[in-house]
Amino acid sequence: QVQLQESGPGLVKPSETLSLTCTVSGGSISGFYWSWIRQTPEKGLEWVGYIYYTGSTDYNPSLQSRVTMSVDTSKSQFSLKLNSVTAADTAVYYCARLLRLGSYYYMDVWGKGTTVTVSS
Amino acid sequence: DIQMTQSPSSLSASVGDRVSITCRASQTMNKYLNWYQQKPGKAPKLLIYGASSLQSGVPSRFSGSGSGTEFTLTIGGLQPEDFATYYCQESYSSLRTFGQGTKVEIK
Repeated sequence: QVQLQESGPGLVKPSETLSLTCTVSGGSISGFYWSWIRQTPEKGLEWVGYIYYTGSTDYNPSLQSRVTMSVDTSKSQFSLKLNSVTAADTAVYYCARLLRLGSYYYMDVWGKGTTVTVSS
Repeated sequence: DIQMTQSPSSLSASVGDRVSITCRASQTMNKYLNWYQQKPGKAPKLLIYGASSLQSGVPSRFSGSGSGTEFTLTIGGLQPEDFATYYCQESYSSLRTFGQGTKVEIK
């Protein structure tokens, strides 16, 4: 059974870069799309983007200028970097497997989430 | 951008009740609509994808319907473990926007 685990600093200073890693266990990272989603009380759930195991990406246009995702298949990990963070980036960040069935996309396995606070 | 509007924002119901939640999209999107359940402190859980396909392992009391701009999640016979917040999500655009959520509470 595939499991996902987010890891990374829980506190990031304003203007710095938020870096998170998601480790995939119990299954292969190859052949799948992998995504990041964040959640705040104010804005709710927000799609951040996805990365295919080959490295191709698709980002939320509203975050595209600040987001970079990468994948390391040898470590079964994929990562998120969000630069120039502000307090508005404070959120619970989830990683999830994104399944594609024809032209339908949906997230069937989620990590437990990690809270990232942006504060000096 | 596609706006996703859920109604109601919250509802109170009793165990055994039939409950329906509506999600309206600001533009037509065929059946590119997913439903998730989230309990406090937990990650969302996929219930329905493609508007009406039940995710493996999800009880059959959950069903989804609709296409275009109006979609419905129905819980046929509410169980104690179903009290949670439910979100729709469009997978039509690159924003993959979520609805604001519907909290189902115990009456």
